[in-house]
Amino acid sequence: QKEVEQNSGPLSVPEGAIASLNCTYSDRGSQSFFWYRQYSGKSPELIMSIYSNGDKEDGRFTAQLNKASQYVSLLIRDSQPSDSATYLCAPGRGDSWGKLQFGAGTQVVVTP
Amino acid sequence: EADIYQTPRYLVIGTGKKITLECSQTMGHDKMYWYQQDPGMELHLIHYSYGVNSTEKGDLSSESTVSRIRTEHFPLTLESARPSHTSQYLCASNDMYEQYFGPGTRLTVT
Repeated sequence: QKEVEQNSGPLSVPEGAIASLNCTYSDRGSQSFFWYRQYSGKSPELIMSIYSNGDKEDGRFTAQLNKASQYVSLLIRDSQPSDSATYLCAPGRGDSWGKLQFGAGTQVVVTP
Repeated sequence: EADIYQTPRYLVIGTGKKITLECSQTMGHDKMYWYQQDPGMELHLIHYSYGVNSTEKGDLSSESTVSRIRTEHFPLTLESARPSHTSQYLCASNDMYEQYFGPGTRLTVT
């Protein structure tokens, strides 16, 4: 079993719809959680961070965290073609602040 | 915006050559990382450093070595490049809240 599991893609989403991305993690000591977006051939860029249980909204993005279930999700509202990318879930490692564990990513394709 | 730089951005080199991939950051971050990523695949941590004269191997075994003589500089060296080293190498650094990535070096060993 992988330490970070993300839904397999690609996830095809009509323009204007909501994209829902899921992630489960195995490290119960993780205290910080990050979502990165990576365009093909580019380096990852941070789009959301979340540290407490519940929801965190930033523009069209909402992250949800449930530490008891070891689950974190990302919603992208009003999806745009520019949102087409791979989204990486990255929980922080419980034994070492700053080190991240990356999931394999979910590719999102927004269709006009 | 993150100030983390990598050179070269692209490198094509023959088998057996020694190469050094440069990474520097101007943010004064103590924590720095090297990742390896093949196309369409996940990031694998190969080296990290928590400060000057501190280096550790990551999760993925790598034939590369790193050094950290100055806070801002974290170069990665391959003594003898092989085709199996062909990959993208990403450097990153951390502050208290976020990990910032450099633009990456795409290495091709022929």
